[in-house]
Amino acid sequence: DVKVTQSSRYLVKRTGEKVFLECVQDMDHENMFWYRQDPGLGLRLIYFSYDVKMKEKGDIPEGYSVSREKKERFSLILESASTNQTSMYLCASSFVGARFTDTQYFGPGTRLTVL
Amino acid sequence: QQPVQSPQAVILREGEDAVINCSSSKALYSVHWYRQKHGEAPVFLMILLKGGEQKGHEKISASFNEKKQQSSLYLTASQLSYSGTYFCGTENYSGNTGKLIFGQGTTLQVKP
Repeated sequence: DVKVTQSSRYLVKRTGEKVFLECVQDMDHENMFWYRQDPGLGLRLIYFSYDVKMKEKGDIPEGYSVSREKKERFSLILESASTNQTSMYLCASSFVGARFTDTQYFGPGTRLTVL
Repeated sequence: QQPVQSPQAVILREGEDAVINCSSSKALYSVHWYRQKHGEAPVFLMILLKGGEQKGHEKISASFNEKKQQSSLYLTASQLSYSGTYFCGTENYSGNTGKLIFGQGTTLQVKP
């Protein structure tokens, strides 16, 4: 079974702190994603990585950065956390599909609260 | 631009049917459906491809109308285990970018 793990299920941080969210997948997937999930807004893509050290901005990258130094690990960084970044953060990974975008496998999520 | 899902929420009794719609303002190459149960990760249900190919779930079916740029998910004879939030993810005609744009979700509650 594909396994995508995230470093924390719940995290509480203070405004202005630097926050690291880590994601690890064990299926040798090329693609990795960070999404933010908010009620009524669905899943919104923050950043996408298609290879080690390669990244692409998603729909809402402002206030976030990412790092992918190893194929299995994708980190989301909040340089200076703000209260409007309180949310559920989901990591996902997938193979590069031959003809179409392949199935994404999601981690359990990290619920981040910024006070 | 996010696809629009309708309805936003639906409540059913066991055994009843439901339809969830996903509409896009852009031409679609594929539509992916995921279900997220409360407190869990979203899980893949099925993919529908331009041209009619379909891969996925045994008991849940879906359609893909390329002209109308929309997909519908059909949940027949609902079971309690169908409860959760359903998301459609769309891939535009530009092809295999590796990315999906997800809708806002439809919450389905099945009651005994």
